[in-house]
Amino acid sequence: DAGITQSPRHKVTETGTPVTLRCHQTENHRYMYWYRQDPGHGLRLIHYSYGVKDTDKGEVSDGYSVSRSKTEDFLLTLESATSSQTSVYFCAISDVGSGNTEAFFGQGTRLTVV
Amino acid sequence: GNSVTQMEGPVTLSEEAFLTINCTYTATGYPSLFWYVQYPGEGLQLLLKATKADDKGSNKGFEATYRKETTSFHLEKGSVQVSDSAVYFCALSVGDAGGTSYGKLTFGQGTILTVHP
Repeated sequence: DAGITQSPRHKVTETGTPVTLRCHQTENHRYMYWYRQDPGHGLRLIHYSYGVKDTDKGEVSDGYSVSRSKTEDFLLTLESATSSQTSVYFCAISDVGSGNTEAFFGQGTRLTVV
Repeated sequence: GNSVTQMEGPVTLSEEAFLTINCTYTATGYPSLFWYVQYPGEGLQLLLKATKADDKGSNKGFEATYRKETTSFHLEKGSVQVSDSAVYFCALSVGDAGGTSYGKLTFGQGTILTVHP
């Protein structure tokens, strides 16, 4: 299995509070991604990174920010959590930014905003 | 934009039955196509892929053929097992105008497969 660790694995938080999810990889892959998984929507890309300090928005980036200060860590922050951000969040990594390259996924973080 | 549509689920089969999960796509450019599988409580893992038209991806008895003319990538298995029970996602990745895709994936909504003994 690819070395990807997400933390925490489960979190319950209150509306309006900030939340940070962490993705840590030991594969030295250049590309990292945050997706959210919701019933009926599959997975949707939130943000991605193509190098240290290089990030860009995905399809559903509103309300989220990211940071990547080291190759191995990619942080996802919800500045002020809302109930619509209740979801399962997956981090993924890839070693080449070409379209035919496999992505490796973490085990997910289940976030509940109450 | 890019999109992937999978057949509505859930799908329930008996062991040794034939499986088909339909997947169609729309994409700008020439996508690579993937099937990912998610077992209960786990992340996604790649099942198979095809990177150009008429390519067939295969793994663990599953197959899918990249059909450009019908923009489809249907997943098939001749004889399913209880252990195949999982959620299956069709996905694509397309390069942008600069020729770099960054490996971003567009997913279908997922199909839940349950196989009974």
